[in-house]
Amino acid sequence: ELKVEQNPLFLSMQEGKNYTIYCNYSTTSDRLYWYRQDPGKSLESLFVLLSNGAVKQEGRLMASLDTKARLSTLHITAAVHDLSATYFCAVDDSWGKFQFGAGTQVVVTP
Amino acid sequence: DVKVTQSSRYLVKRTGEKVFLECVQDMDHENMFWYRQDPGLGLRLIYFSYDVKMKEKGDIPEGYSVSREKKERFSLILESASTNQTSMYLCASNLAGGWKDEQFFGPGTRLTVL
Repeated sequence: ELKVEQNPLFLSMQEGKNYTIYCNYSTTSDRLYWYRQDPGKSLESLFVLLSNGAVKQEGRLMASLDTKARLSTLHITAAVHDLSATYFCAVDDSWGKFQFGAGTQVVVTP
Repeated sequence: DVKVTQSSRYLVKRTGEKVFLECVQDMDHENMFWYRQDPGLGLRLIYFSYDVKMKEKGDIPEGYSVSREKKERFSLILESASTNQTSMYLCASNLAGGWKDEQFFGPGTRLTVL
């Protein structure tokens, strides 16, 4: 059974500082996805990582995938308030069916 | 752009009522999914469907059923709603066997069972 673990589950960030969210998974997969969810809203796709060593960047967010270590990281550079949200990673276990991590709630304060 | 719509954003029902949650996608996706989301528990898969009239149980199917009569529409049914089914329900869809397989989500239905 595929298990996906995210940590930390809660992250209090100071504006301007850098932080990393980790996503570990238990079986071989080379497809990993990052989503963002704002309070009361649905999930919005951030990144699609499809191979070992994949790196994607959008603004202050950068995601990477190491399939050998079964680890993905979401790095936040110089946090700003509008990055406050819950971030989920998800792994494709087969035929497009995903297993989600528990989510990391991010709060950015001045 | 992929569009996944859900029939209601907010729904209030009474214990024992039969509840229908509808989901429609407009991108000809084969796969459709129903999740529930509860604080601290993340997203849990209730049911999914790979094709019309096909359905598979997810991790928490008890108390739910589904229907997929047309490719674009996937319905979640609560046969007899209970208070522990108060939750946010999210529908998603993606291509089968596609290289990216990214799931696209609807806006969600917040269901309250009194």
